[in-house]
Amino acid sequence: DAGVTQSPTHLIKTRGQQVTLRCSPKSGHDTVSWYQQALGQGPQFIFQYYEEEERQRGNFPDRFSGHQFPNYSSELNVNALLLGDSALYLCASSSRPGSTEAFFGQGTRLTVV
Amino acid sequence: AQKVTQAQTEISVVEKEDVTLDCVYETRDTTYYLFWYKQPPSGELVFLIRRNSFDEQNEISGRYSWNFQKSTSSFNFTITASQVVDSAVYFCALSEAGGANSKLTFGKGITLSVRP
Repeated sequence: DAGVTQSPTHLIKTRGQQVTLRCSPKSGHDTVSWYQQALGQGPQFIFQYYEEEERQRGNFPDRFSGHQFPNYSSELNVNALLLGDSALYLCASSSRPGSTEAFFGQGTRLTVV
Repeated sequence: AQKVTQAQTEISVVEKEDVTLDCVYETRDTTYYLFWYKQPPSGELVFLIRRNSFDEQNEISGRYSWNFQKSTSSFNFTITASQVVDSAVYFCALSEAGGANSKLTFGKGITLSVRP
């Protein structure tokens, strides 16, 4: 049973560019959440998708957008990259109703130069 | 607003020592969930435990134990007889009534180093 898979694992982008990160949830899970983890910090919630709609959003600018597909996989898009967007981006999946835990992927390490 | 404070940033112990990782939380919700996650160098967050706000019983799982005290808003984690494999960053997290389907608010994490 595959867990949460994220691609790519590492990415280097130039300031001002756009990036798309991908996440496939654990089998049987329908809810995907995205987190940003800066170096030395705890993960910060970006947003959550369920039934192809954004359900909750954290305190992130509109440059951060997402999408969920009918197969429950998800994409995180970041436009106009800033140096401060360099971080580990984690995807978590869970299922409604009432998962007892969210399963995390290994993340995508984004470096903006 | 929800907040999780992990005042300890780095802890170093020698193998077989016991170690306690502290977590203090703030929330206005009456129903909430508390979690502990382990993050090894690979980056993936590994779930350790979930507690809801109505269950204050302490829990023990092998060498791991958790002490939840609503009176002090704390959810501390103890590793007994630590091992080198316990070396990782440990995060305490808080969510609303939706549990794992609600956003998780994480603390800054505690880096635990266990020396042979």
